[in-house]
Amino acid sequence: NAGVTQTPKFQVLKTGQSMTLQCAQDMNHEYMSWYRQDPGMGLRLIHYSVGAGITDQGEVPNGYNVSRSTTEDFPLRLLSAAPSQTSVYFCASSPGQGRAFFGQGTRLTVV
Amino acid sequence: AQSVTQLGSHVSVSEGALVLLRCNYSSSVPPYLFWYVQYPNQGLQLLLKYTSAATLVKGINGFEAEFKKSETSFHLTKPSAHMSDAAEYFCAGAGSYQLTFGKGTKLSVIP
Repeated sequence: NAGVTQTPKFQVLKTGQSMTLQCAQDMNHEYMSWYRQDPGMGLRLIHYSVGAGITDQGEVPNGYNVSRSTTEDFPLRLLSAAPSQTSVYFCASSPGQGRAFFGQGTRLTVV
Repeated sequence: AQSVTQLGSHVSVSEGALVLLRCNYSSSVPPYLFWYVQYPNQGLQLLLKYTSAATLVKGINGFEAEFKKSETSFHLTKPSAHMSDAAEYFCAGAGSYQLTFGKGTKLSVIP
């Protein structure tokens, strides 16, 4: 079982560049979400989606864009990377009741 | 607003000693509470989940947690620490889908 797959695992960007973090799940979950993890901050919700065509903002959405054209995929776009976006990014999918399945993470460095 | 508070960002125990990681939740947190574990350079794995069926919840790897409504607590325990338990542990609360995480507690196990 693949579960939740994130690509790439590592990325270095220059300030101002844009990129897309990919996330795919094969469990047919309606709910998907993106978190960023920073030391001492836990995981903070960036954006989430409750189904194809429906997205909403989480706690820290600025500088990020999402779309959900299929149940399986939920890409996260960085529009113009900033050093403050250096972080580890996790994608998760959920069948409900709070249970979440996480990807392995993308470690992003913005220089 | 929902909140989950983990007491102690770093806990050290000797191998074989009791592990106690503390978590308190706000009274507005919906009924699902979780503990997740993150090993170095990996994603989050579910350790255990409380869903109101029983106040004492047993999880994987010998961990358990007790839900105490009067204390708004959901502390994680393990009777005897093993070296392989060294990781970061996150307490989280959820409604149907969205998770609210504590800031995490890094557990070190001393041989």
